[in-house]
Amino acid sequence: AQKVTQAQTEISVVEKEDVTLDCVYETRDTTYYLFWYKQPPSGELVFLIRRNSFDEQNEISGRYSWNFQKSTSSFNFTITASQVVDSAVYFCALSEAPNRDDKIIFGKGTRLHILP
Amino acid sequence: NAGVTQTPKFQVLKTGQSMTLQCAQDMNHEYMSWYRQDPGMGLRLIHYSVGAGITDQGEVPNGYNVSRSTTEDFPLRLLSAAPSQTSVYFCASSYGRADTQYFGPGTRLTVL
Repeated sequence: AQKVTQAQTEISVVEKEDVTLDCVYETRDTTYYLFWYKQPPSGELVFLIRRNSFDEQNEISGRYSWNFQKSTSSFNFTITASQVVDSAVYFCALSEAPNRDDKIIFGKGTRLHILP
Repeated sequence: NAGVTQTPKFQVLKTGQSMTLQCAQDMNHEYMSWYRQDPGMGLRLIHYSVGAGITDQGEVPNGYNVSRSTTEDFPLRLLSAAPSQTSVYFCASSYGRADTQYFGPGTRLTVL
């Protein structure tokens, strides 16, 4: 069965520090999709990134970067030079191959506090 | 495009009451889903639908019913509300299961 583990429940860092949020997943499939979403204090859920299992290239978007490693079943998210506006709950999610299971499963989230 | 809309934004029910949480999307998405969010539990899938007329159970379906008579609408029904159903409910839609999900603003439900 598919599973997503975000072991870090809560993280606090001082502004301008780098921070990495961990995501470890379990799946039986070779084809799957991984996502990260952000939930700021206002409560809405905002899409950050989607990655398919065949693309192991790391992704960088401004201060955000993602490290996908199939060998360790991890899809970690790093914020460089963190800012107070990065304070939010971050969710990692997994979707498996077609005809296997149509569910999209989320991790429990990591609450990130950026201290000024 | 309005995206994904949910009504109401807030609701207070008494134990045993029934109600329907409404969800609609105008993006012609086939895949729609309902999640509940509780402190420390993340987003848990209640029910989902891969297209009109097709629904299936998620992780925590007990106490909830859904139907999908049109592509646009995916209502969630609580038949007999219980305090354990106090939560924030999110509806989401996407073209397919492997695509980016777009979330509604959420409904905060309190059952007394």
